[in-house]
Amino acid sequence: AQSVAQPEDQVNVAEGNPLTVKCTYSVSGNPYLFWYVQYPNRGLQFLLKYITGDNLVKGSYGFEAEFNKSQTSFHLKKPSALVSDSALYFCAVRDGSDYKLSFGAGTTVTVRA
Amino acid sequence: NAGVTQTPKFQVLKTGQSMTLQCAQDMNHNSMYWYRQDPGMGLRLIYYSASEGTTDKGEVPNGYNVSRLNKREFSLRLESAAPSQTSVYFCASSPGPPSYEQYFGPGTRLTVT
Repeated sequence: AQSVAQPEDQVNVAEGNPLTVKCTYSVSGNPYLFWYVQYPNRGLQFLLKYITGDNLVKGSYGFEAEFNKSQTSFHLKKPSALVSDSALYFCAVRDGSDYKLSFGAGTTVTVRA
Repeated sequence: NAGVTQTPKFQVLKTGQSMTLQCAQDMNHNSMYWYRQDPGMGLRLIYYSASEGTTDKGEVPNGYNVSRLNKREFSLRLESAAPSQTSVYFCASSPGPPSYEQYFGPGTRLTVT
């Protein structure tokens, strides 16, 4: 079975400060990890993924994520947050042998000006 | 290139009524998925189709049926709607290996009274 935990329902940061959204996962095989962002009344947009290779993955809009196998984590980061980054963020995982994605419950990010 | 499209955008049903949610993708993707999104619960997989001609149950299939009409289209049917099916429904598609990310439609907001 595969699962994802996002331990924080909400993250609040000031514009210009670093942003971190936490994610831990559990899979029986090799993890394929994803981050998505959802703006109000919109579908989910793909941000970045880790399949294999470098542990630090860079994605859209200046976001990056670090895969840590020993801690089973895949935290999303942005060095300098913008007000426009305010949205709902989802971490997702699939076992390498499975077609299905399992999503976390989501973290609401609010960036104040 | 429209990506993933869903119809309708909004729908209100009375308990016991039936309806079909339509989804189409123009990216020549092999796999398609139906999710429901409820507050605080992330996205839960209802059904998926790994390839044309195949469908499989996801996490919450009860009360739903699906049809993979062709490679482009994947419909979700509610035979007898219940208030517990009030939710936002998202369709997604994925090309499969080596790119496993899913691309989402804009969603259908369904209310069952």
